This record gives sequence, structure tokens and C-alpha cells, in this order.
Amino acid sequence: EADIYQTPRYLVIGTGKKITLECSQTMGHDKMYWYQQDPGMELHLIHYSYGVNSTEKGDLSSESTVSRIRTEHFPLTLESARPSHTSQYLCASSETRGREGRHEQFFGPGTRLTVL
Amino acid sequence: AQSVTQLGSHVSVSEGALVLLRCNYSSSVPPYLFWYVQYPNQGLQLLLKYTTGATLVKGINGFEAEFKKSETSFHLTKPSAHMSDAAEYFCAVRGSGGGADGLTFGKGTHLIIQP
Repeated sequence: EADIYQTPRYLVIGTGKKITLECSQTMGHDKMYWYQQDPGMELHLIHYSYGVNSTEKGDLSSESTVSRIRTEHFPLTLESARPSHTSQYLCASSETRGREGRHEQFFGPGTRLTVL
Repeated sequence: AQSVTQLGSHVSVSEGALVLLRCNYSSSVPPYLFWYVQYPNQGLQLLLKYTTGATLVKGINGFEAEFKKSETSFHLTKPSAHMSDAAEYFCAVRGSGGGADGLTFGKGTHLIIQP
């Protein structure tokens, strides 16, 4: 059973506010990811991390930033939220140590963000 | 680079009927292929995956998929649909060359089960 958590699950906030979406996993996975999912649309990778102190931009440009100070924690921050940031944000992790690795990603329940 | 095409944004089947969700991919390297299911207001749950070996893979909840390299396809099937199968299904591909660049997802197929 995957153990990856996201808080808050739902967030409604006004324009210009700074927000941080939390993501934690207890599986000791080295790699973590953030995806953005608009209603009825596919997921787009916005950030990923190979491990502690490693962060990379994904395929979809995003104004958000991430940090990876601890293996288990991968928060996403928006310095100044705008209505265009309204979306669902999904965090995932994967374990790829070993010859084959497991390859699949385990997903958290998501944070649905609404910016008014 | 990889891409995924899921034919049909909505598929409707009767309870007890065959479920077939289509997925075609493109990849410049041997692919790893995945099917995920997403229930409302939840994250994604892995149904099954193909990495290497047997091309017919079985997953949870009675689903299976067959990797066909010549057709660049990885269609998802289930012999008999159940009401609880109603959900959004995503096909995804990842290049087997390593790295942490994430999965490339299709747009998803919404499966509707008619009673």
C-alpha cells in the first residue's frame, strides 16, 4: 500500500496570496514528482526531484517552485496565486534503486486549488 | 520524447459487457507502459504495467493489457464490466532509458457503466 500524503485536499484562496502545497511520502522513495491536472485533461509534469537538494522543471512551464530538503518531503510553493493557477495538483513518488527498479509512480490524493 | 493517444474521451458499456480502452504510444526508446485509474476526487492508482518480459500483463480488478510493439499499442481490457469500474482511466508511457523525467500521460478515458 502506497503511503503518500498531500495537504490540504482542497484550498480556496484569493489572488496574490502565497501558498504551499504539502507532499510527504513514508516509503523512502528517492524520486518525487508534481503534476498539474486541469478538469478533464491529462496530467502534466511540472516538477521533479532525483533526491535531496535536487529539483528540476518538468514538461509544463509553471510559476510554482519546489524544494527537497528531506527525502520524504517535497512541497510546492506559489509566491502569488492567480486564477490561472486554479487546478488539481498531484504529487507522486517512485523507487528506482536496484537493477530494475519498480518504475511505477505512486500518487497522492491530490490538492484541488481554486484561486478567486 | 514520448506521447500517448487514448482513443475516445468517453466509453460507455453495459454492466457485464467487455471493456476495451485503447491506448497508442510513441517512444524513441523501448517504453515502459502503465494504466492508472482515477476515481472522483482521488489520486491515481496503478492498474498494471509493462516493463519487460511477457507482453500480456494482468492487473488488479480483473483488468489486463497487451503490449503490441508492431502496433505501438497497449489496450486495456476487462471481460465483464462492473458498476464499480466507472472511473477515469489514464494510459502512460515512460522511456526505459532511466532518469526522473516522469510519465507522459494520455488525455484519459472516462468509462461509463450502464446498468
